[in-house]
Amino acid sequence: SAVISQKPSRDICQRGTSLTIQCQVDSQVTMMFWYRQQPGQSLTLIATANQGSEATYESGFVIDKFPISRPNLTFSTLTVSNMSPEDSSIYLCSVVGTGEGNQPQHFGDGTRLSIL
Amino acid sequence: ILNVEQSPQSLHVQEGDSTNFTCSFPSSNFYALHWYRWETAKSPEALFVMTLNGDEKKKGRISATLNTKEGYSYLYIKGSQPEDSATYLCALYNQGGKLIFGQGTELSVKP
Repeated sequence: SAVISQKPSRDICQRGTSLTIQCQVDSQVTMMFWYRQQPGQSLTLIATANQGSEATYESGFVIDKFPISRPNLTFSTLTVSNMSPEDSSIYLCSVVGTGEGNQPQHFGDGTRLSIL
Repeated sequence: ILNVEQSPQSLHVQEGDSTNFTCSFPSSNFYALHWYRWETAKSPEALFVMTLNGDEKKKGRISATLNTKEGYSYLYIKGSQPEDSATYLCALYNQGGKLIFGQGTELSVKP
C-alpha cells in the first residue's frame, strides 16, 4: 500500500493567518482527497485533488477558503486560508489507486490544527 | 443526503470481553462499505471493504458482516485487548465515487 507523508503533523496558528499542508505519496496514485474532522464530528470530504486541473469541492467548501494544488500524481497541498477558531480540526489527505469503491483509501497521519 | 449512522458512540469494555458495533446506511444504490480503525495520533487504517450482501470478512480477532438489503453492517471484536482501543469508522462508498463516513465508535479496552 502507498506510504503517505503529511506535514506539518500539528500547528497552532493565529486567527486570520493561512497554513499550507503538504501530502507526499511514495507512488503515483489516481485519486487524492482532503478531509476534515472537526471536534465531535465525522470525517468530512473537503475536495478531490485533480492532477493538472482545479480541485472538485464538496458542498459547503470553496476554493477561496481551501485552495488545493496537485501539480503531479504524487503530491498535493491544501491551504486553510484566513483561519478562524472554527477551522480547528484534524486535516487528512488520502489516496486510492484506481478510484474504485472496492479499494480501501490510505490516509496520511493527519495535521492537527488549532487556531487561537 | 446520505446518512451513515454508527452506534454506540463510545464503548468501554474489559480486556477479554467480546464486543460489537453497528453501522447503518441507506440500502438503495449500494456500492461498497468500508471499515477503518483510527488510533490516536496515527492514520486511519483500512480493516475491510465489503461489497456483497451477506459478506463476512475476518482479520484476526476482528470480523464484519454486511446486510445491504436492510442497510447495516456489524463489526465484531473477539477477546478485546487494550491495543484494540481506537475509533472504528465505517464509510459508505456511493456511486458518486466518494466515501461518506459515520461519526465512529470510540472503543476503550481496560486491562
